[in-house]
Amino acid sequence: AQTVTQSQPEMSVQEAETVTLSCTYDTSESNYYLFWYKQPPSRQMILVIRQEAYKQQNATENRFSVNFQKAAKSFSLKISDSQLGDTAMYFCAFMNEKLTFGTGTRLTIIP
Amino acid sequence: GAGVSQSPRYKVAKRGQDVALRCDPISGHVSLFWYQQALGQGPEFLTYFQNEAQLDKSGLPSDRFFAERPEGSVSTLKIQRTQQEDSAVYLCASSLAAYSGNTIYFGEGSWLTVV
Repeated sequence: AQTVTQSQPEMSVQEAETVTLSCTYDTSESNYYLFWYKQPPSRQMILVIRQEAYKQQNATENRFSVNFQKAAKSFSLKISDSQLGDTAMYFCAFMNEKLTFGTGTRLTIIP
Repeated sequence: GAGVSQSPRYKVAKRGQDVALRCDPISGHVSLFWYQQALGQGPEFLTYFQNEAQLDKSGLPSDRFFAERPEGSVSTLKIQRTQQEDSAVYLCASSLAAYSGNTIYFGEGSWLTVV
């Protein structure tokens, strides 16, 4: 079974600064997908970024980028120029047959 | 609508009541997932459908939980004889196909409170 670990329950950062959320996972599979989802208080999961394990290039979506280290089974999310609207829970997720989530990191952007 | 729609958004049930939660996936999406998210936790997988076939129900916590998708579109998650530990947000999600990394789109969830 796959497991996803997010070791930072809570983080806070000043507006406009850069923040990195960590995620590690455990799997014996070689082909899989990794995701970061954002969950505001409304509870709707919003896809932030996805990474295909067979691609070595790190995914980037505007201010969001990942550092994917396949050998280390690490998948961190970097948010640049953080904005107040980035305040939310962030979940790392692993997908092979189904989506398995970590426990989440509560990120607060301080004005 | 264009997204995954869930109803009811909020449900308060007395312990022992049966509840039914509905999910309307995005049109054309083959795969449909149900997740349970307790307060302060990440979503936990319950069950997965490909069209009308329930391919994985390993996450259903007990035989009080039952899910169906008879025509391969709308799905219903039924919880019989609800208990307080069933209180959670139930998230439905859909995608074009599973096992391929297609984006999985989530609904806003059904918030169940058992009193």
